[in-house]
Amino acid sequence: EPEVTQTPSHQVTQMGQEVILRCVPISNHLYFYWYRQILGQKVEFLVSFYNNEISEKSEIFDDQFSVERPDGSNFTLKIRSTKLEDSAMYFCASSRGGAGKTQYFGPGTRLLVL
Amino acid sequence: DAKTTQPTSMDCAEGRAANLPCNHSTISGNEYVYWYRQIHSQGPQYIIHGLKNNETNEMASLIITEDRKSSTLILPHATLRDTAVYYCIVRPAANFGNEKLTFGTGTRLTIIP
Repeated sequence: EPEVTQTPSHQVTQMGQEVILRCVPISNHLYFYWYRQILGQKVEFLVSFYNNEISEKSEIFDDQFSVERPDGSNFTLKIRSTKLEDSAMYFCASSRGGAGKTQYFGPGTRLLVL
Repeated sequence: DAKTTQPTSMDCAEGRAANLPCNHSTISGNEYVYWYRQIHSQGPQYIIHGLKNNETNEMASLIITEDRKSSTLILPHATLRDTAVYYCIVRPAANFGNEKLTFGTGTRLTIIP
């Protein structure tokens, strides 16, 4: 059964450093998403991406964040200058589109900013 | 998106049916009811979704009341691996710009051996 995969599973970085989180969505899916979950808190929507552009973003997704689909398979989330409060689990999701648009999530990347 | 209300926690004996309720009294006609679960800090796992009719798949059944103001997720024979946080989410049908899922705090289901 096709799955969303994410790399790395864990990332430790210093405050102010740039990080890139990578995702490989399910191959025939057209819509891509990033969510995050700070420890002990709710899963929060960050951004959705379709047809090579952002279709919706939350207030969390400020100028420090960017997304890209650099080739036909990868979908990346870049944090330009990490802050302590960026420490969280980051989940990628993808969906096929059409009625319902069920989103399937990856296993997540645990980001720790020191 | 319509707001949902779920109990904070529930216990269920292993082998029994687990019935998880969700209230979504402000749901509108074009909104689906989705259920996901999250085991520890893993990625949310899709379980099932429905619009009006009851639905069943290999994981669970979804019972939606006739007025659509509430629903129940049924895990027919709960196992220890079903211990997780279960999220009931209401979202619009396929409209550009409304694709996001809004997660609440969910129901923490504990399966008791």
